[in-house]
Amino acid sequence: SQQGEEDPQALSIQEGENATMNCSYKTSINNLQWYRQNSGRGLVHLILIRSNEREKHSGRLRVTLDTSKKSSSLLITASRAADTASYFCATVEMNSGGYQKVTFGTGTKLQVIP
Amino acid sequence: DGGITQSPKYLFRKEGQNVTLSCEQNLNHDAMYWYRQDPGQGLRLIYYSQIVNDFQKGDIAEGYSVSREKKESFPLTVTSAQKNPTAFYLCASSRPGLAGGRNEQFFGPGTRLTVL
Repeated sequence: SQQGEEDPQALSIQEGENATMNCSYKTSINNLQWYRQNSGRGLVHLILIRSNEREKHSGRLRVTLDTSKKSSSLLITASRAADTASYFCATVEMNSGGYQKVTFGTGTKLQVIP
Repeated sequence: DGGITQSPKYLFRKEGQNVTLSCEQNLNHDAMYWYRQDPGQGLRLIYYSQIVNDFQKGDIAEGYSVSREKKESFPLTVTSAQKNPTAFYLCASSRPGLAGGRNEQFFGPGTRLTVL
């Protein structure tokens, strides 16, 4: 599997339901980030969780990080049709030069049905 | 798209031609990145630059070249050596990736390149 591999690849839910996406990775990381991409557009940063944090909230988003299992999850509560997009996790490692190496996963395509 | 512009939005090129994609940012970020995205897939890193006049190859640099003569600009040239150049190209920038610092990436709107 790749660094930063999401599952499921695609998810379809009804408006109002919660959506959970998972990300697994292989190496030690400095932090993990989640991004959103609307079709044909650039990515937008959603939330960052550091390696020493276990859970973080931002509005309707909740992110967890389990470094022992090398996995993270993104929960979107009370989903809306406007949440329809692809969601990517990105792992950030610090290289020997002290700079970040960012690796994006393959993404989860979320469809929220009105 | 947060202070990063990419142009053009759509680009068509004939096979065998070089083409340069523009990326400009006014966020005063030191680091800039180029990614390639193929349909239904994630992002793959082509080149990145942590500081002016310096850049490193990413995972799929073959057939591409970059320059970083100014802090705000990081153009990408897709050369005729790139065997399968049709893709969506995304540019991003961030503050230096210092340990413990916030280093999220800000993305441009992308350029869709089609080779005819």
